[in-house]
Amino acid sequence: NAGVTQTPKFQVLKTGQSMTLQCAQDMNHEYMSWYRQDPGMGLRLIHYSVGAGITDQGEVPNGYNVSRSTTEDFPLRLLSAAPSQTSVYFCASSDRQATNEKLFFGSGTQLSVL
Amino acid sequence: KQEVTQIPAALSVPEGENLVLNCSFTDSAIYNLQWFRQDPGKGLTSLLLIQSSQREQTSGRLNASLDKSSGRSTLYIAASQPGDSATYLCAVLPISNFGNEKLTFGTGTRLTIIP
Repeated sequence: NAGVTQTPKFQVLKTGQSMTLQCAQDMNHEYMSWYRQDPGMGLRLIHYSVGAGITDQGEVPNGYNVSRSTTEDFPLRLLSAAPSQTSVYFCASSDRQATNEKLFFGSGTQLSVL
Repeated sequence: KQEVTQIPAALSVPEGENLVLNCSFTDSAIYNLQWFRQDPGKGLTSLLLIQSSQREQTSGRLNASLDKSSGRSTLYIAASQPGDSATYLCAVLPISNFGNEKLTFGTGTRLTIIP
């Protein structure tokens, strides 16, 4: 199993550009989520999904869109990139939304917005 | 709002020493607490998960303890090795009907083991 796969690993954007960060998992997990990690701050939840066709907002959703058309994929879309979105983005999944499920993380996407 | 603090932000220790990493949280109404390891340029890997009813969990050279009443958890690493160098994060899950979307993460302690 590859686990959670994120692409690309690095990306540089100009302000106003749009892009999609890809996330795929091969563990048949119901729950998938996107976090951003900024220096001096803990991971912050952007969006999450508890199954195909179901998504919800996390703590910092503004400027980001998600969709979940399949169990495996959970892409994160930046609609109009801003310098404040410079961060490291992590996708994570777990078997279910339940409280005892360990999270499995991808290796991250480092995004710079100029 | 739950706040999770990890102090110090960075720690250097000679190889072979035992060490303790700290995690403090402000709201003791938690369901569980997890410790994660993050290597540079990599994602987080779950190390240990402690239920609120448990006092500790062990995995190899790692031992995590939980004291809900004082809002503290510690991660004890025995006989440290250079391969233990990484950032260690803790995360708490509140008592609720929800799941991992309610996790609150600490900012981590960057551990360096000096050969």
